[in-house]
Amino acid sequence: GAVVSQHPSRVICKSGTSVKIECRSLDFQATTMFWYRQFPKKSLMLMATSNEGSKATYEQGVEKDKFLINHASLTLSTLTVTSAHPEDSSFYICSARRGSLNTEAFFGQGTRLTVV
Amino acid sequence: ELKVEQNPLFLSMQEGKNYTIYCNYSTTSDRLYWYRQDPGKSLESLFVLLSNGAVKQEGRLMASLDTKARLSTLHITAAVHDLSATYFCAVEPGYALNFGKGTSLLVTP
Repeated sequence: GAVVSQHPSRVICKSGTSVKIECRSLDFQATTMFWYRQFPKKSLMLMATSNEGSKATYEQGVEKDKFLINHASLTLSTLTVTSAHPEDSSFYICSARRGSLNTEAFFGQGTRLTVV
Repeated sequence: ELKVEQNPLFLSMQEGKNYTIYCNYSTTSDRLYWYRQDPGKSLESLFVLLSNGAVKQEGRLMASLDTKARLSTLHITAAVHDLSATYFCAVEPGYALNFGKGTSLLVTP
């Protein structure tokens, strides 16, 4: 199956700093990628839809200035958590589809962010 | 508002027993997904159910879909400890997946 690679898998950062998480589709082109956030023992919440070459679409309640998304190529989307605070600590997972709506979504390995 | 409800949310069962996890959803969706998540890990795709009446089986797990009732089931047969994990169902009314809250399964000796 298709592979979506997410990096880093774990990151610890100090409050006030920014952290960038990368999501790459390794063997296919992804015009659309998705970013999810998961709190401990909770479900996945869609944060935003990342569109190659255009602005991301954020879900209601997600601060677009805090969670910057860039989808500069068909194989890479990045999520930057700006001015991180302890409440931003979470598990972030990206997902990508190979092409159109009727294709399976593949998930990255996830990134465990801890802000101290 | 789209709702994806899983039942039960927590399940402790003995090895060798059978059980069913239910997933109800509130909007039209022609396909439904089941995923497994181990602690600290990402999602592992189990099943993609593409049409009404679809049934898929893999090992001790079998999933079915009734789009008219907006219901999917994940049936566990003769559970073993290795099945202990959290199971999520998800639907896609649009382009992104919407997940249920997950069913945390613990299989005990």
